[in-house]
Amino acid sequence: AQSVTQLGSHVSVSEGALVLLRCNYSSSVPPYLFWYVQYPNQGLQLLLKYTTGATLVKGINGFEAEFKKSETSFHLTKPSAHMSDAAEYFCAVSPTGNQFYFGTGTSLTVIP
Amino acid sequence: GAVVSQHPSWVICKSGTSVKIECRSLDFQATTMFWYRQFPKQSLMLMATSNEGSKATYEQGVEKDKFLINHASLTLSTLTVTSAHPEDSSFYICSALLQGNEQYFGPGTRLTVT
Repeated sequence: AQSVTQLGSHVSVSEGALVLLRCNYSSSVPPYLFWYVQYPNQGLQLLLKYTTGATLVKGINGFEAEFKKSETSFHLTKPSAHMSDAAEYFCAVSPTGNQFYFGTGTSLTVIP
Repeated sequence: GAVVSQHPSWVICKSGTSVKIECRSLDFQATTMFWYRQFPKQSLMLMATSNEGSKATYEQGVEKDKFLINHASLTLSTLTVTSAHPEDSSFYICSALLQGNEQYFGPGTRLTVT
């Protein structure tokens, strides 16, 4: 069975500081990997995804993530946090593209 | 971009009544849609996979007779919570699958059962 682990249910950073949200997965084969953002009382918005090819993936709003097969990780980063980045972030994996497994989420707080 | 809508965005109903939630893909056709449930401060729990023209596939532990899913067209899937009880109160989110591996999520429906 697939599992997705997001280390740190709450992360706080100062405005302008580096954002690092961690995601590790268990899979026997490289899956599709996704990061989503959710604002209060809203659905999920895709930030970025990895399917094949370049392991460093750039997404919207300045976010990027790197797929590291040896570490089974797909950590999300942003060089400089903005107040508008405060939200809930979910990592998801899909072995085949037809079923998706979500991590428990990381709540990001940006301190002015 | 691909847009998925849900209706209603918030519904309050009395215990014992049924509630229908609609999920529509507005600018694309989706043969596969997903229904999730999300509790406060928690992740999404996949309830079922809805395939157009066929029966939905329910995840283990989800009562198919309680959560009726119909995917009658390529742009519409509905979730009906039958005989709702307070424990069914939750945030329900649908998504539509585009191009094989990309999900587009609806804005969610908050159900409160009194």
